[in-house]
Amino acid sequence: QSALTQPRSVSGSPGQSVTISCTGTSSDVGNYNSVSWYQQHPGKAPKLIIYDVSKRPSGVPGRFSGSKSGNTASLAISGLQPEDEAAYYCCSYAVTYTLVFGGGTKLTVL
Amino acid sequence: QVQLQESGPGLVKPSETLSLTCTVSGGSISSYYWSWIRQPAGKGLEWIGRIYSSGSTNYNPSLKSRVTMSIDTSKNQFSLQLSSVTAADTAVYYCARNMDVWGQGTTVTVSS
Repeated sequence: QSALTQPRSVSGSPGQSVTISCTGTSSDVGNYNSVSWYQQHPGKAPKLIIYDVSKRPSGVPGRFSGSKSGNTASLAISGLQPEDEAAYYCCSYAVTYTLVFGGGTKLTVL
Repeated sequence: QVQLQESGPGLVKPSETLSLTCTVSGGSISSYYWSWIRQPAGKGLEWIGRIYSSGSTNYNPSLKSRVTMSIDTSKNQFSLQLSSVTAADTAVYYCARNMDVWGQGTTVTVSS
């Protein structure tokens, strides 16, 4: 069970849009519509922002959206705000009833 | 609103067993999956495993030989035991419900 692949870092200016990719295999991302995304600020617990590929929990702004194509899931953030600066992790259901995380992406709002 | 709180020793000696408990308040422990996740300082998240309220478990294959999870529905608690720990097991350990509600995390250091 290998970690999902995410870019180590992305950046954007306030108001701009960014996309974070999460690449897995046919044993995880490609085989299940159970990809979730977490936002983590330093010293805090991760917060769920997307589940089941593209669903947003109550209270999560519509600026956050998720999608999937083949073995790659993506998180898009539009209208970047300073408070979006954080680490983002994808997570997928995988074969044998397990879960696997991506390595994490550090988003810098310039 | 459901809340989760991890508890347990903050320091464990090498080769010993790490034991943590997650207490669930504000909701029932029944009919959910309860997971443990860890994060070494400055690194990413690692899913350790999960237990259903019925007691069935799924573990990360890389940790499976050392992990045991249990659940006590009468106390609204579930637990993690990780045996034969080394310095590589030093991390912040989180518990979570269905991976949507997380505890604040507890730091465990493995050192003699």
